[in-house]
Amino acid sequence: KQEVTQIPAALSVPEGENLVLNCSFTDSAIYNLQWFRQDPGKGLTSLLLIQSSQREQTSGRLNASLDKSSGRSTLYIAASQPGDSATYLCAVEIIQGAQKLVFGQGTRLTINP
Amino acid sequence: NAGVTQTPKFRILKIGQSMTLQCTQDMNHNYMYWYRQDPGMGLKLIYYSVGAGITDKGEVPNGYNVSRSTTEDFPLRLELAAPSQTSVYFCASSPVGLSNQPQHFGDGTRLSIL
Repeated sequence: KQEVTQIPAALSVPEGENLVLNCSFTDSAIYNLQWFRQDPGKGLTSLLLIQSSQREQTSGRLNASLDKSSGRSTLYIAASQPGDSATYLCAVEIIQGAQKLVFGQGTRLTINP
Repeated sequence: NAGVTQTPKFRILKIGQSMTLQCTQDMNHNYMYWYRQDPGMGLKLIYYSVGAGITDKGEVPNGYNVSRSTTEDFPLRLELAAPSQTSVYFCASSPVGLSNQPQHFGDGTRLSIL
């Protein structure tokens, strides 16, 4: 059974720092991995989607990497801002076409001004 | 430019009551999904639909029912509410399968069963 783990559960850093969020999964047979952002009281917003054949994706100050063989993904946030404060979740698609994402429990990120 | 709309935003039910959580999307997406999110946890898939008239179970379908009579709407029904169903429920949609396109989420329905 695929399990997705995100450590730490919470992270607090000063504004301006570069930071890395971690996501690990137990079964390397995935079709893609997605990173989402969740603001309090809101739904999820997709940030980056990495296909299984890709190693990384970039969007603005965000860079996500994928290492299937080791079962790991990282989300790198450059020059963090208070507006980046949110919960970040990763999820993997385990069977192509099965429409089933397995989610991690998320990392709650706080950027202090 | 509404995207995915969920109603109600909040609801308190008594044990044994029933209710329907509404979800509608205006993006003409074929795929729709219902998730629940318990405190401090990730999302778990309840049911999904790949088009009007087609639904299938996800990871945690017990205690819930769904229907998909139109492309736009995907309601989730709780027949006999139980305290274990206290959660935040999210509806999502995507134009095609997950492999190539991310999902679009609603803002959620916060449900308490007392």
